[in-house]
Amino acid sequence: GQSLEQPSEVTAVEGAIVQINCTYQTSGFYGLSWYQQHDGGAPTFLSYNGLDGLEETGRFSSFLSRSDSYGYLLLQELQMKDSASYFCAVRLGGATNKLIFGTGTLLAVQP
Amino acid sequence: DGGITQSPKYLFRKEGQNVTLSCEQNLNHDAMYWYRQDPGQGLRLIYYSQIVNDFQKGDIAEGYSVSREKKESFPLTVTSAQKNPTAFYLCASSYRDSVYEQYFGPGTRLTVT
Repeated sequence: GQSLEQPSEVTAVEGAIVQINCTYQTSGFYGLSWYQQHDGGAPTFLSYNGLDGLEETGRFSSFLSRSDSYGYLLLQELQMKDSASYFCAVRLGGATNKLIFGTGTLLAVQP
Repeated sequence: DGGITQSPKYLFRKEGQNVTLSCEQNLNHDAMYWYRQDPGQGLRLIYYSQIVNDFQKGDIAEGYSVSREKKESFPLTVTSAQKNPTAFYLCASSYRDSVYEQYFGPGTRLTVT
């Protein structure tokens, strides 16, 4: 089977840094994506790691270690608008070219 | 403006009725996807299509059907065989080689009573 594990909730204060971890066990692996979803809204793509290492996009960074089946999303200089759910998703690739999503981490940013 | 549209935003049906959810995109994407999201849960793949006139079952296809007659459109029918149809349904699209970067529609919240 496929499994992705993320913490269910994380709380942080404005201006702080928060890390959301994702560990996975899947039948195939091409890369790890991250999505943000505000309450009741559509998920939006944040980042993708196809190779090991750190990818930086503004205040957000994402890291992947394939040997550890582990990745994380790092959010810096937290703002109230960052309060949302964050999902990691594994790209299976090959003939089954699809994403498998984790259950999501609800981030609450407090003033 | 390019994007994905889903209609309607809210849909109410009686048990035993089939219902079709609309999804249209003008991003020129080859691939389209249907997901179901239940409260506090992640997204579960129902069906996906990588090219016109072809589609594959996802992880929870039972009780659902799709068609892909046009590149822009990927309608989902929730049949009476689906035991728990009440959920938030999300449609997405991507370039065929960029499945990792999907663009989502605003979703349809279906309630069946």
